[in-house]
Amino acid sequence: DVKVTQSSRYLVKRTGEKVFLECVQDMDHENMFWYRQDPGLGLRLIYFSYDVKMKEKGDIPEGYSVSREKKERFSLILESASTNQTSMYLCASSLEGIYEKLFFGSGTQLSVL
Amino acid sequence: LAKTTQPISMDSYEGQEVNITCSHNNIATNDYITWYQQFPSQGPRFIIQGYKTKVTNEVASLFIPADRKSSTLSLPRVSLSDTAVYYCLVGENRDDKIIFGKGTRLHILP
Repeated sequence: DVKVTQSSRYLVKRTGEKVFLECVQDMDHENMFWYRQDPGLGLRLIYFSYDVKMKEKGDIPEGYSVSREKKERFSLILESASTNQTSMYLCASSLEGIYEKLFFGSGTQLSVL
Repeated sequence: LAKTTQPISMDSYEGQEVNITCSHNNIATNDYITWYQQFPSQGPRFIIQGYKTKVTNEVASLFIPADRKSSTLSLPRVSLSDTAVYYCLVGENRDDKIIFGKGTRLHILP
């Protein structure tokens, strides 16, 4: 089975801090995604990447950046965390050309105080 | 991506068959229909995908009528552990973005 691992299950940060969320997949997938999930809003796409050093904006990229230096790792960066970025963050990956079959990590619940 | 509409919530009882219908009136010729399941505090999990007619796997069946403007996820003989949120997605497998709606919250009662 594909394994998508997110570095932290729970994270508490302060307003203004720079926050790194790490995601690693072990199945040599080309595509990686970052979503956030909030009650009543479902999953919303932040950024995605279809290759090393490539990135594309999703629907809500403001306040976030990403980094993909290696194929297996996709990092989400909150440059200056704000309280409205308190959320569940989900990383996912998929094979090239099979965009709709995503494999998700267990998520990181981030609280910004 | 075609927009999808599905019920916000559903209740059913253990042992029953549950059918969740998703409307996608603007589905394009190359679009596939995919369903995910999400348990609390976990990421979504792929359940089933289809293009037309019927697809069945060990977890569920997916029924797609000829006009493909809707699809129905069928869960046979549900148990309490099937309580989850179910998402219907429609898109071409080459799509850059994969957009999740709000899903259907299924609650199985004893």
